[in-house]
Amino acid sequence: SAVISQKPSRDICQRGTSLTIQCQVDSQVTMMFWYRQQPGQSLTLIATANQGSEATYESGFVIDKFPISRPNLTFSTLTVSNMSPEDSSIYLCSGGFSQNNEQFFGPGTRLTVL
Amino acid sequence: QQQVKQSPQSLIVQKGGISIINCAYENTAFDYFPWYQQFPGKGPALLIAIRPDVSEKKEGRFTISFNKSAKQFSLHIMDSQPGDSATYFCAARPTGNQFYFGTGTSLTVIP
Repeated sequence: SAVISQKPSRDICQRGTSLTIQCQVDSQVTMMFWYRQQPGQSLTLIATANQGSEATYESGFVIDKFPISRPNLTFSTLTVSNMSPEDSSIYLCSGGFSQNNEQFFGPGTRLTVL
Repeated sequence: QQQVKQSPQSLIVQKGGISIINCAYENTAFDYFPWYQQFPGKGPALLIAIRPDVSEKKEGRFTISFNKSAKQFSLHIMDSQPGDSATYFCAARPTGNQFYFGTGTSLTVIP
């Protein structure tokens, strides 16, 4: 298994600013993902964080708005850029192992944009 | 298009009863079917998972039933407890690719 931590756990930000969320895994995982979850809703995949290369974004999400880094097998960051109130959500990091398909989630970052 | 359809949206069960949540899928490339449990303010936690080569998997009070021909799978929580009150998500994944999540079921177990 993998234990995943995220920082910050929550933040309140002003419109037009940017926030970088950090994700740390306690073991080397094959895959890392970033999700968005509106309260009471399901999980929406933002992108797959690829080590040493550009992230793979899902439809509706672009690199300019959600730049992602993954410098190694245990760490990734997601930046929410030029924020608007519509970006208020919970952002979840997950990591997994391709050999057994298991995927583990961090506790999430609750973002509020005023 | 929702790749994994989950029902019901909410469920209320008496303590000691059986909670049943159902999911259906269309993509026959899916070969891994996990269930996640999420408490308020927490990330989803892997509860139990099954592969399509078995029809049932049991871990404690939690059982997954899998019907490959019908492309359906369900989570059964036996002897439901108030501490089981949470949101449950089913998911499905083709080998090596992203997970597709259901819409979630909010379970409330009444003491």
